Amino acid sequence: KAGVTQTPRYLIKTRGQQVTLSCSPISGHRSVSWYQQTPGQGLQFLFEYFSETQRNKGNFPGRFSGRQFSNSRSEMNVSTLELGDSALYLCASSPGEGLREKLFFGSGTQLSVL
Amino acid sequence: GQSLEQPSEVTAVEGAIVQINCTYQTSGFYGLSWYQQHDGGAPTFLSYNGLDGLEETGRFSSFLSRSDSYGYLLLQELQMKDSASYFCAVRNTGRRALTFGSGTRLQVQP
Repeated sequence: KAGVTQTPRYLIKTRGQQVTLSCSPISGHRSVSWYQQTPGQGLQFLFEYFSETQRNKGNFPGRFSGRQFSNSRSEMNVSTLELGDSALYLCASSPGEGLREKLFFGSGTQLSVL
Repeated sequence: GQSLEQPSEVTAVEGAIVQINCTYQTSGFYGLSWYQQHDGGAPTFLSYNGLDGLEETGRFSSFLSRSDSYGYLLLQELQMKDSASYFCAVRNTGRRALTFGSGTRLQVQP
C-alpha cells in the first residue's frame, strides 16, 4: 500500500499570496488531519476531516482552510500569506473515527514565505 | 485546554538506556501516544498507552500513570539510528484531535 502522499514537497511564496497544499491518504483511510510544524513548536493541529466533513479545527486564523473530497483526498489553503506561515505542513491519515487509531503521516510540504 | 511537557533535548551513548518523560494536563483523556521523527522525515507511530502500565515493543517501551498525568518512553540498547525527535501526544475526550508535545531531540553518541 502506498503511504500518505503530499504535494508539492517544497514551495516558495511571497507575502500576500495564497497557497494550496494537497494530501492523498492511504487507500481506504477516511480521516485526514493537518498539522503545522515549526522549529521548537512541535506539531500544531490545524483541522481534521472525516468523510468530507470537518470534525475539528485548531486555533488558527480564518486564512487557513481546508476541504476533503469524496475520494478522501484533502487540500488545505492558506490565503494572504504571512512570513510566520513558513513551516512544514504535515498531513496524516487514519482508517476511521477510532480514538485509539494511530496516525500515518506524509513527509510534508515545506512552505517558505518570503 | 491541554498542555504537554517534555524535555527539549536528551543525549545518550550507543548501547545505553534512555527515558523520555512526558507530563500532561488535559480535561478528559483517551490515552498517550509516542511518535518518532527523523530530520527531514515524517513522524511515525511508536506506541500507545490507553491504560496504566507498561507497553513493550522490542527495544522500546512506554509507560503511563493516569493518576500522575505522566508517561515516559524508554529506549534500550540505543543505536545511532535512534537519533531523532520524539513526541508524546494525547487525545482528550472533548476535542478528539491529537495534541502533540513540542518534542524531545535525542542525540545518540558513539
